[in-house]
Amino acid sequence: EIVMTQSPATLSVSPGERVTLSCRASQTISFNLAWYQQKPGQGPRLLIYDASTRATGIPDRFSGSGSGTEFTLTINSLQSEDFAVYFCQHFNDWPLTFGAGTKVEIK
Amino acid sequence: QVQLVQSGAEMKKPGATVKVSCKASGYTFTSYYITWVRHVPGQGLEWMGWISGYDGKTKYEQSLQGRVIMTTDTPTSTAYMELRNLRSDDTAVYYCARRAPSSGGWYFDFWGRGTLVTVSS
Repeated sequence: EIVMTQSPATLSVSPGERVTLSCRASQTISFNLAWYQQKPGQGPRLLIYDASTRATGIPDRFSGSGSGTEFTLTINSLQSEDFAVYFCQHFNDWPLTFGAGTKVEIK
Repeated sequence: QVQLVQSGAEMKKPGATVKVSCKASGYTFTSYYITWVRHVPGQGLEWMGWISGYDGKTKYEQSLQGRVIMTTDTPTSTAYMELRNLRSDDTAVYYCARRAPSSGGWYFDFWGRGTLVTVSS
């Protein structure tokens, strides 16, 4: 199975900052990657699919990039509602697998 | 609006069976797949399998084959996930999610809030 590795595990940032989260696949997955945001007590929220396409209703401060094995989620000008855990997920083949997540916390 | 409403928390003993429900609303149930994902405490998300809302076809994660059964009830737009022979390491929050309408990608645009299943003697 494809192992998805996210870094860092935790990111401490101040509101208004720009953050960059990384996700690496153990083998090439083309552009078959999604990013999710999760807050306590809620299910994940789809942010990005196909590595760089924003899902419906997602603000343009969220952007995704990358292909192959290296992917990045960037959040420009972090807002208070953006403090959460972010997961990546590949959908290149079976089984689907997720990264362990990056927690973005208030500095 | 699209909603997936899951059943409440469950506490089970090892060896027992749990059945979690996921009631869909706000869209045509038979036009989408439902997937099940679990989040084990301290670990990442684990994909468990999917079921077609159209014909009930399923695909399960290999490690769960023989213990998991996913079903649907079309008249009530409800999906079910049954996990048998529970072990302590099945303790997790279980999510249902809808596969996003797409040209082929398996990512998920709406999720339930999760159902905590605790397995303990």
